[in-house]
Amino acid sequence: AQTVTQSQPEMSVQEAETVTLSCTYDTSENNYYLFWYKQPPSRQMILVIRQEAYKQQNATENRFSVNFQKAAKSFSLKISDSQLGDTAMYFCAFMKLGGSQGNLIFGKGTKLSVKP
Amino acid sequence: GAVVSQHPSWVICKSGTSVKIECRSLDFQATTMFWYRQFPKQSLMLMATSNEGSKATYEQGVEKDKFLINHASLTLSTLTVTSAHPEDSSFYICSARGAGLADTQYFGPGTRLTVL
Repeated sequence: AQTVTQSQPEMSVQEAETVTLSCTYDTSENNYYLFWYKQPPSRQMILVIRQEAYKQQNATENRFSVNFQKAAKSFSLKISDSQLGDTAMYFCAFMKLGGSQGNLIFGKGTKLSVKP
Repeated sequence: GAVVSQHPSWVICKSGTSVKIECRSLDFQATTMFWYRQFPKQSLMLMATSNEGSKATYEQGVEKDKFLINHASLTLSTLTVTSAHPEDSSFYICSARGAGLADTQYFGPGTRLTVL
């Protein structure tokens, strides 16, 4: 069975600074996707970034980038130039490819606070 | 694109009554929809997965007769909490996945259920 671990329950960062959220996962699968979702106080889950395991290049989306280390089963999220609106819970998620359902397996989340 | 709505956003009901929550994909056809439950300060717990026109697949420990799921069309899934009790009070979130969305789940805004 796959598991996703986020070892930082809470983090804080000063506005405009850079912060990295860690995520590790355990799987015997070779084909999968990894995601970071953000859940602000409104509780709407928002996709931040996704990474296909077969791609060696790290995904980037504006200020958000990942460091995907497949051998180490690590998938960290870097937020550059942090903004107050980045304050949220961040969930790392794993999805096995090829299954009929496409279920997401979530970590427990990291609460990020961006301070002015 | 890839917008998912949920209705209602919050509902209060008396113990013993049934409550229906709707999940709609607004700009895509959702081949698969997912229902999650989230307790305060916790991660999302998958309750069930439904494919259009098929019976839902429930996760272990989720009562099928208590949480009725219907996915009658490619844009609508419903979750009915039958004979609700206070312990059913929670935040319920749906998500949807469809063709052309690269196996990514998009989430609705959630429904806060309070059972008195």
